[in-house]
This record gives sequence, structure tokens and C-alpha cells, in this order.
Amino acid sequence: NAGVTQTPKFQVLKTGQSMTLQCAQDMNHNSMYWYRQDPGMGLRLIYYSASEGTTDKGEVPNGYNVSRLNKREFSLRLESAAPSQTSVYFCASSELSGMGYSPLHFGNGTRLTVT
Amino acid sequence: TQLLEQSPQFLSIQEGENLTVYCNSSSVFSSLQWYRQEPGEGPVLLVTVVTGGEVKKLKRLTFQFGDARKDSSLHITAAQPGDTGLYLCAGLVTMDSSYKLIFGSGTRLLVRP
Repeated sequence: NAGVTQTPKFQVLKTGQSMTLQCAQDMNHNSMYWYRQDPGMGLRLIYYSASEGTTDKGEVPNGYNVSRLNKREFSLRLESAAPSQTSVYFCASSELSGMGYSPLHFGNGTRLTVT
Repeated sequence: TQLLEQSPQFLSIQEGENLTVYCNSSSVFSSLQWYRQEPGEGPVLLVTVVTGGEVKKLKRLTFQFGDARKDSSLHITAAQPGDTGLYLCAGLVTMDSSYKLIFGSGTRLLVRP
């Protein structure tokens, strides 16, 4: 059982280049999320998908786009990378419990450097 | 905008010592989760607290949710080097028809042998 799988693990981009971060989960979860983690700032939500076919902006969506390809896959695209997007990106998934809360299951992250 | 403040940001202690990490907000959360993250990995859930005043224990770790559901604490007794990591609290809020977590900035703990 792989859980949440992110690719690639590392990436270096030049300013203005584009790339897509891939994420897949095998837990049949409805909700998926993209976070970025920067030193001293915790995890900040970029976009989320509450269910297949829906996507919504989080706290820091500027410069990013997402696609919920199917229930398993949720990708994050940087159309024109900027140095400010240097960060560690985490994908996560969750399933609402009957109590109305649900833990997040995280992938191991993509470390992105934009020069 | 909901904000979760964690303190301290960094903590370096000797094996066997006790410590407490705090997570505070001016907002009320429906529940609060604690995660631990090790280098090169994603955060992993330790516990979820739901009821105001709730206390949960996980071996040497004790988690408490404030009565008003605005704050939480994590107490570690007799810390071990294996406790080293980044501890993150996260408050759950309802947005539209979905749930999302607001994360604190984290407490980085180093337990020296």
C-alpha cells in the first residue's frame, strides 16, 4: 500500500520555465490537497479538491494551477516559475469521517528550486 | 484569517528531560491535529483532539485541547532521541462544503543523547 506518491522528488528550474508536479493516492480518498512548506512558515495550502471534478483556491494560489485528473490523481502546474516558488511541495489526501474531521495523509514531498 | 502560533520555534534538550510545546489561536477550531515530520518525509498524524478540555495520551506524549478549543499543548515526558523532529499543530476549519487544515509554523525539537 503506497499511500500518497509524489513525483518528481527533486527539481531545479530556471525562472520562466514550466513544470507539473504529479500526485497519486491509492486510498480511495475523496479530498486532495497541495501545500507548500517554507522555513518558519509551516504548511500553506495552495489548492484543494474536495471531490473528483472540483478544485478550489487555498491561501496562496497565485502562480499555480491544478487538475483533478480522476479520483486518484491531482497535479499542480507552475506555468512560469519564479524564485519565490522555491519550496518543498506536499500533496495530501483525506477522507471525511463520520465525526466531520479526517487526518491528512501526506506524500514525501517535491523539493523545487527555481534559479 | 485564522492563525495558529506555535511556541517555541526551536527546542534542544537532553535525553530524559520533559518538554511542552504550545499551539495558540484567537480562532475556535472544530478539532485540532498534531503531526510529526522527519527530514525528507511528509508529516504523519500523531493525534486528533475534538472536545474542549480533551486529553489524549500516546505513550510518553500527552496532548490537550483547550476548553475553548482555541489552543492546544503537547507534553513529552522523558524525551528520547527518537522524538527528534518537527512538530506541527493544525486546526480544522470548514470552508464551503469541505474541510481544510490551518497549520502552525512548527516546533523543531532536537533531543541530544
